[in-house]
Amino acid sequence: AIQMTQSPSSLSASVGDRVTITCRASQGIRSELGWYQQKPGKAPKVLIYGASTLQSGVPSRFSGSGSGTDFTLTISSLQPEDFATYYCLQDNSYPRTFGQGTKVEIK
Amino acid sequence: EVQLAESGGGLVQPGGSLRLSCAAFGLTFYDHYMEWVRQAPGKGLEWVGRIRNRSNRNTTEYGASVKGRFTISRDDSKNLLFLQMNSLKTEDTALYFCVRTYLHCSDAGCFDGFDVWGQGTMVAVSS
Repeated sequence: AIQMTQSPSSLSASVGDRVTITCRASQGIRSELGWYQQKPGKAPKVLIYGASTLQSGVPSRFSGSGSGTDFTLTISSLQPEDFATYYCLQDNSYPRTFGQGTKVEIK
Repeated sequence: EVQLAESGGGLVQPGGSLRLSCAAFGLTFYDHYMEWVRQAPGKGLEWVGRIRNRSNRNTTEYGASVKGRFTISRDDSKNLLFLQMNSLKTEDTALYFCVRTYLHCSDAGCFDGFDVWGQGTMVAVSS
C-alpha cells in the first residue's frame, strides 16, 4: 500500500497567516491526490482533487500543487473558519490511503 | 438536497457481526461509486472500501485491515448502500461514514472527489 506522510502533524497560526501543509507519497502517484478539511464533530469536506483543482464552492485562498511524490496545500490568508484538521488522500491505487492529518490551531 | 444517512451502528462483541446501511437522497445513486470511510475515536481517517456503479458491475475494493471480513453491497432500486462487517475486532471501533465519489474525468485522467458524506454511524466493538 502507498503510505502518505503529512507534515507537520500540527501547527499554530494566526488569522491572516499563510499556511503550508505538505504530503509525501511513498511512491509516485502522478497528480492523483485530494485534500480534505475536517472540523470537530463534522464529516470531512473535499477541498481539492487532482492535486490542484479546487472543488466547486471552495474559497480561492486554498490551493494545491505537486505531482509524483510531493504535494502541498496552501492557505494564502488563514481565516477563523479554517481552523480544522486537513488530510491528503491518494487515489492512484488501491487501497486508497489518507495522510495522518495536520491540525491547524489558533496561535 | 443531496444527502446520505447512515444507520445500523451499535455495540457488538468481538467476533460478532453488524450490518450498516446508508440511504441516499437527492442524487442519481445508481450512477455513482460509493465508499465507506471510518474514523476511530480521536484518530485520523481510514478508507474502508469502495463499490463501483452498475456500469462497472458493482465491483468492490477493500482496505487491507478489513479485506475478507467486510463486504460492501448496494441496492440501486432503493438507493441503499450496505457494509456487512463480520469477525469484528476491537480495532474496528470507529465512526463509519458513507461517502459518494464524484469522478472528475478529463484528458489528464480520472480523479476521485469524495464530495458527499453522511454524518456517520458509530460502531463499538467491546466485550
